[in-house]
Amino acid sequence: EAQVTQNPRYLITVTGKKLTVTCSQNMNHEYMSWYRQDPGLGLRQIYYSMNVEVTDKGDVPEGYKVSRKEKRNFPLILESPSPNQTSLYFCASSPWDRGHNQPQHFGDGTRLSIL
Amino acid sequence: GESVGLHLPTLSVQEGDNSIINCAYSNSASDYFIWYKQESGKGPQFIIDIRSNMDKRQGQRVTVLLNKTVKHLSLQIAATQPGDSAVYFCAETWGGTALIFGKGTTLSVSS
Repeated sequence: EAQVTQNPRYLITVTGKKLTVTCSQNMNHEYMSWYRQDPGLGLRQIYYSMNVEVTDKGDVPEGYKVSRKEKRNFPLILESPSPNQTSLYFCASSPWDRGHNQPQHFGDGTRLSIL
Repeated sequence: GESVGLHLPTLSVQEGDNSIINCAYSNSASDYFIWYKQESGKGPQFIIDIRSNMDKRQGQRVTVLLNKTVKHLSLQIAATQPGDSAVYFCAETWGGTALIFGKGTTLSVSS
């Protein structure tokens, strides 16, 4: 089954304790992206990657890091989490063919609470 | 983004009615538009898309209309069913990089 898998689905942690949210897709997609969803603000893009070793900032990259060492994986790293990073996070992927956009497939989300 | 007067945060309809959800997009250079449906506890799910060289596209029970003159996008759902209850987002992109989402409309269908 084609899917985007995020782990963990839920996490409660404390300020300053480094954490990583993993994202994996089995569709051989080139493009992967991370979003956060907050009430009243909708979905905002954090980082995206158009292929292995290629990453770029989205709208709200501050406080986050990503890496794309393999095509299927795109982990989101919070080196020193703060309470304002409490949110619902989504990973997404799509094929990437310059000039021909494709709809993104989303994971089911990771709810992070930073105390 | 969403334009006041076009975007309704919530929409309530009766089962069997046709629903129209509107969205005003922000960038005249946007060349690809997507509607997503998000049910509680799940990630956004693709419904239908349209490229800027088209003004209408139809799927199963859904139609998307694009008016580039006024930067307006709409999603029409025919014969709305209780299972259509969800939050609907429009999204725009240009150059295939950043995907910008609207604020979303919550559709409630009563039977």
